[in-house]
Amino acid sequence: QVQLVQSGADVKRPGASVKVSCKASGYTFTNNGITWVRQAPGQGLEWMGWISTYSGTTHYAQTLQGRFTMTTDTSTTTAYMELRGLTYDDTGIYYCARGVSGWFDPWGQGTLVTVSS
Amino acid sequence: QSALTQPASVSGSPGQSITISCTGTSSDIGAYNYVSWYQQHPGKAPKLMIYDVSNRPSGVSNRFSGFKSGNTASLTISGLQAEDEADYYCSSYTTSSTYVFGTGTKVTVL
Repeated sequence: QVQLVQSGADVKRPGASVKVSCKASGYTFTNNGITWVRQAPGQGLEWMGWISTYSGTTHYAQTLQGRFTMTTDTSTTTAYMELRGLTYDDTGIYYCARGVSGWFDPWGQGTLVTVSS
Repeated sequence: QSALTQPASVSGSPGQSITISCTGTSSDIGAYNYVSWYQQHPGKAPKLMIYDVSNRPSGVSNRFSGFKSGNTASLTISGLQAEDEADYYCSSYTTSSTYVFGTGTKVTVL
């Protein structure tokens, strides 16, 4: 079945960078893009960006542009996101999801990123 | 890009129908039929419930239905059940080639 499995929880200091992986299986990786979404504690969903696994084309949320990067490795069917210059406001759960023509399905299990001094 | 506007909470008794609205602009909901809805239970990842305004993925109950008119989309849950108690989010593609989520609605089954 189609599945996305993310890397484990991470704790980072303010100003550091975090990299989260998302391993896809059960479908042809290059047929669909990968979207990244985050959720601060007790808050709603925030769309972060989308990457084409076929061409590498990316679209980023304006609020994150400049410190957020998405990449993919087609040889291992894995997508990555890196967020730099972390602040306490970046604490939350980070999700990857398969992007299919305007909708997201399925989602990874989520990765908790905690920014703490 | 501002978040789409949803009511903070909606409640209903078992068996009743409820509707959640999702209001955007002519740059998102009004521009495309790429509106989707997600259900999220506490501590779980979101789950796709409706895509392309009104289509249900395989395995999603036909008690869930979607609609759009102008800049507003809606999700209706009919025959409300205890398991429907969760947070619901709408999403839309935008004219900036990005996506935007709604503010989220907590559904309570009384």
